[in-house]
Amino acid sequence: DTEVTQTPKHLVMGMTNKKSLKCEQHMGHRAMYWYKQKAKKPPELMFVYSYEKLSINESVPSRFSPECPNSSLLNLHLHALQPEDSALYLCASSRGSTSTDTQYFGPGTRLTVL
Amino acid sequence: SQELEQSPQSLIVQEGKNLTINCTSSKTLYGLYWYKQKYGEGLIFLMMLQKGGEEKSHEKITAKLDEKKQQSSLHITASQPSHAGIYLCGADMYKRLLGNEKLTFGTGTRLTIIP
Repeated sequence: DTEVTQTPKHLVMGMTNKKSLKCEQHMGHRAMYWYKQKAKKPPELMFVYSYEKLSINESVPSRFSPECPNSSLLNLHLHALQPEDSALYLCASSRGSTSTDTQYFGPGTRLTVL
Repeated sequence: SQELEQSPQSLIVQEGKNLTINCTSSKTLYGLYWYKQKYGEGLIFLMMLQKGGEEKSHEKITAKLDEKKQQSSLHITASQPSHAGIYLCGADMYKRLLGNEKLTFGTGTRLTIIP
């Protein structure tokens, strides 16, 4: 089973709202990732957690706050977002964090910021 | 400039025909991945290539990584409507002593299959 689940599937929020995206995997993977994908563009890496510790932050604005409560869960807390933050947010996980550890992706959360 | 270039950007193919998508880098690739994405959905893992000259096949899809590990091709034989979607190559382009994989994705190829 290579399933990564994400909730919610769609999210509409105002610029003053606080919301969270959730990602879950039960494959025993120790690396988890957040990507952002704009329309007709490839996914762009935002954050990497390795063994529940933040290992990569791609200079993401502080209005995005990741959290890894345990090895199966990854959250992305959203606050004071801008309309340009509207995108598909993808979560992925991999067994480890080397270049030969395949990343498996969830279905994504479609975020619209009004 | 994009580190990973894919060609063509879009492809319209009649059902039953063969097709090839290319992924080219100016740097040596460490772990080259092929994914497929339906519009607005997640990425589906297809294949991973690591060694120069490596070739892998799954059903009607074959992927190759050239000897210099700077170009990969994805070939679909006898295309079907189910093959339609966006194909993305992804690669770790910076060899590190300590993990922390960072995938860079190609520009994507949109494949349309017409009956």
